[in-house]
Amino acid sequence: QKEVEQDPGPLSVPEGAIVSLNCTYSNSAFQYFMWYRQYSRKGPELLMYTYSSGNKEDGRFTAQVDKSSKYISLFIRDSQPSDSATYLCAMSATGNQFYFGTGTSLTVIP
Amino acid sequence: EAGVAQSPRYKIIEKRQSVAFWCNPISGHATLYWYQQILGQGPKLLIQFQNNGVVDDSQLPKDRFSAERLKGVDSTLKIQPAKLEDSAVYLCASSLVRQGGSYEQYFGPGTRLTVT
Repeated sequence: QKEVEQDPGPLSVPEGAIVSLNCTYSNSAFQYFMWYRQYSRKGPELLMYTYSSGNKEDGRFTAQVDKSSKYISLFIRDSQPSDSATYLCAMSATGNQFYFGTGTSLTVIP
Repeated sequence: EAGVAQSPRYKIIEKRQSVAFWCNPISGHATLYWYQQILGQGPKLLIQFQNNGVVDDSQLPKDRFSAERLKGVDSTLKIQPAKLEDSAVYLCASSLVRQGGSYEQYFGPGTRLTVT
């Protein structure tokens, strides 16, 4: 079983839609959670960082962590064509070695 | 603030040749990471440095891969000899050191390696 599972998509939504991206994990020791956005032929760009459980909001982005279900989510409100990218989740138990999901490819159609 | 710099951006070599990648982290970031990202997959950690020392190299294929970080700043990753399956994007990332661990990694643009 992989440490982190992420649906690769692709996911296609109309502009303005709410997007939900998810990851599940198997290691109950994970407590550091991050979401990255990666445009084609670019390095990953940090979007959200969350420690332990709960929600965190930043503009149109909301990250949720449910440690009891070993499930994390990223919500994008009012999605824009510029949000079209691959979204990677990453997590760690110690804040050192991070395990990445395979990424979900998102396309927002104007 | 300048980001993580990497060079070259692209490299094409034949199998069994050697290749080296360079990374300059964000100023003041003590922790530096090298990741391998194969097409369609998430980044896989190859090696993590904190200052000059190696924190984790458990997934580095040490028979062909080597990395160093001199003076705790720049780093180089070398592959010798390269295999076809080494074709990937090699990403460098850096982060501050915080109590309890490092996080909030910032990535460079990557070096896309093609082995023919």
